[in-house]
Amino acid sequence: QQQVRQSPQSLTVWEGETAILNCSYEDSTFDYFPWYWQFPRESPALLIAIRPVSNKKEDGRFTIFFNKREKKLSLHITDSQPGDSATYFCAASGSSGSWQLIFGSGTQLTVMP
Amino acid sequence: GPKVLQIPSHQIIDMGQMVTLNCDPVSNHLYFYWYKQILGQQMEFLVNFYNGKVMEKSKLFKDQFSVERPDGSYFTLKIQPTALEDSAVYFCASSLLGGQNTLYFGAGTRLSVL
Repeated sequence: QQQVRQSPQSLTVWEGETAILNCSYEDSTFDYFPWYWQFPRESPALLIAIRPVSNKKEDGRFTIFFNKREKKLSLHITDSQPGDSATYFCAASGSSGSWQLIFGSGTQLTVMP
Repeated sequence: GPKVLQIPSHQIIDMGQMVTLNCDPVSNHLYFYWYKQILGQQMEFLVNFYNGKVMEKSKLFKDQFSVERPDGSYFTLKIQPTALEDSAVYFCASSLLGGQNTLYFGAGTRLSVL
């Protein structure tokens, strides 16, 4: 059973558009949601993260919107650039004693110039 | 930023052989992790390690798997013996603190078991 789901599997947008990547989760005890991005042949790296005390986290062109009631979150990338082309992983963990970071299967984003 | 190095980037071995995957974590980090990713699927947690001990392991961390960090050097994942279903990309990660601290990942070792 997948605890963290992402959609779409792949997404193509034009330069300057807003890309929206979706994520949902099962476990209501999850309280930390980082997004990692991975460029081809590179390591996954932390992009931005949110905790449920807030429903929005912004960092430059990247914004997480969080809906605790529906157990959904989304990553919005405004003014998308070709350099944003990467695979984006949503992840989740809880504070119930487990340190496991549960990853989604990723969204491959391509930004066309 | 901080770098985690994984050696080798690709390893091909015959089923039943032993393999050791090496990870050079960020120098001052104290917590270490292995994740497994089958092509097209998500990264799945295998194990985390702190102070010389396994703290948590998942169902994927079979009896054939072991981890160690002898003398504070490489953090290793050993599989003995290997099986066909062990073919995957194995990612090492490290963090300064445990809990929900930022994980720094290596680029992965692609293991092909023939």
